[in-house]
Amino acid sequence: ILNVEQSPQSLHVQEGDSTNFTCSFPSSNFYALHWYRWETAKSPEALFVMTLNGDEKKKGRISATLNTKEGYSYLYIKGSQPEDSATYLCAPVQTGANNLFFGTGTRLTVIP
Amino acid sequence: NAGVTQTPKFRILKIGQSMTLQCAQDMNHNYMYWYRQDPGMGLKLIYYSVGAGITDKGEVPNGYNVSRSTTEDFPLRLELAAPSQTSVYFCASSRADQPQHFGDGTRLSIL
Repeated sequence: ILNVEQSPQSLHVQEGDSTNFTCSFPSSNFYALHWYRWETAKSPEALFVMTLNGDEKKKGRISATLNTKEGYSYLYIKGSQPEDSATYLCAPVQTGANNLFFGTGTRLTVIP
Repeated sequence: NAGVTQTPKFRILKIGQSMTLQCAQDMNHNYMYWYRQDPGMGLKLIYYSVGAGITDKGEVPNGYNVSRSTTEDFPLRLELAAPSQTSVYFCASSRADQPQHFGDGTRLSIL
């Protein structure tokens, strides 16, 4: 079992604001990090899978960075829209493992 | 393109009853997973499988059993339902090193 911490637990921003949140994980035996977006009453959807230190991925207004040496990843949302309201989950994978350990997520609410 | 299909969507069980949650995927994924969602706790892994005939325990396997006789299907069995198993259950599948695809979930209440 991995200790995966996501902060903040919840976040309210105004429409148009940019925001970011953090995923912390053990840096030892790191293999990959997954980010998922989970809307209320739906199922999680994959955003990114990141593997390399310094990696940066982008999907529309959402981007993520990865620091495997210190064990953290940032997720950024530029110009938040109400449809971005969701819980954002991160899940690291350790070397040799076949499963993910999900953090408890950051719940984002974008106020119109 | 169905993806990951879970049945049933909702179910109410009495304490001590048993049931099987069904999960099927049509993407020829080797890896399949069962999670439960508990309030404030995110997703906890119950069991997973890396291929037909192979299953492994996750974080919270007690009270559950699984089997994987085919690549497509990964049923989850509750033998003696307990109130603590009231939850939303998600099945997911993936290829190695790829993102997981989730089903729509099964909402289970045990009274």
